[in-house]
Amino acid sequence: AQSVAQPEDQVNVAEGNPLTVKCTYSVSGNPYLFWYVQYPNRGLQFLLKYITGDNLVKGSYGFEAEFNKSQTSFHLKKPSALVSDSALYFCAVRDLQSVNAGNMLTFGGGTRLMVKP
Amino acid sequence: ETGVTQTPRHLVMGMTNKKSLKCEQHLGHNAMYWYKQSAKKPLELMFVYSLEERVENNSVPSRFSPECPNSSHLFLHLHTLQPEDSALYLCASSHGGLAGVNEQYFGPGTRLTVT
Repeated sequence: AQSVAQPEDQVNVAEGNPLTVKCTYSVSGNPYLFWYVQYPNRGLQFLLKYITGDNLVKGSYGFEAEFNKSQTSFHLKKPSALVSDSALYFCAVRDLQSVNAGNMLTFGGGTRLMVKP
Repeated sequence: ETGVTQTPRHLVMGMTNKKSLKCEQHLGHNAMYWYKQSAKKPLELMFVYSLEERVENNSVPSRFSPECPNSSHLFLHLHTLQPEDSALYLCASSHGGLAGVNEQYFGPGTRLTVT
């Protein structure tokens, strides 16, 4: 079984400050990890993913995420937040050992990021 | 903008109505998905079609019926819905397959209200 947790319902940060949105996961084997962002009245947009290789993954809009196997975490980060980054962020995981057809992801509950001017 | 379109964008229906949601992807993907997004609940995967094989979530009530006539189109047929079915229904597509690790591309969703 696979699961993912986003412990914070909301994160508040001032514009220009660094931001972190937390994600922890649980899988039987090796994880594939994803971050998505959802702006109001829109579908989810892919930000970045970790499959293998460097633990620090760079994605769209200046976001990056750090894979930490010992802590089973995949926190999303950005050095300097923008007001336009305000949105709902979802972490997702797929277990490498999953044998189901398709690309079956399990999503976290989402974290609302509020960036204030 | 993402290559996945959904119609209608908004739908209000009574509990005795029958309606259908439509999704179309122009990305050449071979897997398509229906998700339900409710307030204060994680995104719920409802159905997956991959390489024309349906993978079904057994907890989805039979009043929801998917149809995938080809790799570009996906429908969700609705009948005798309940008010608790009111939600945002999202369609997504990706390159699929058993070893697929490809990101999913989402449509803008259909906001469904059941009265």
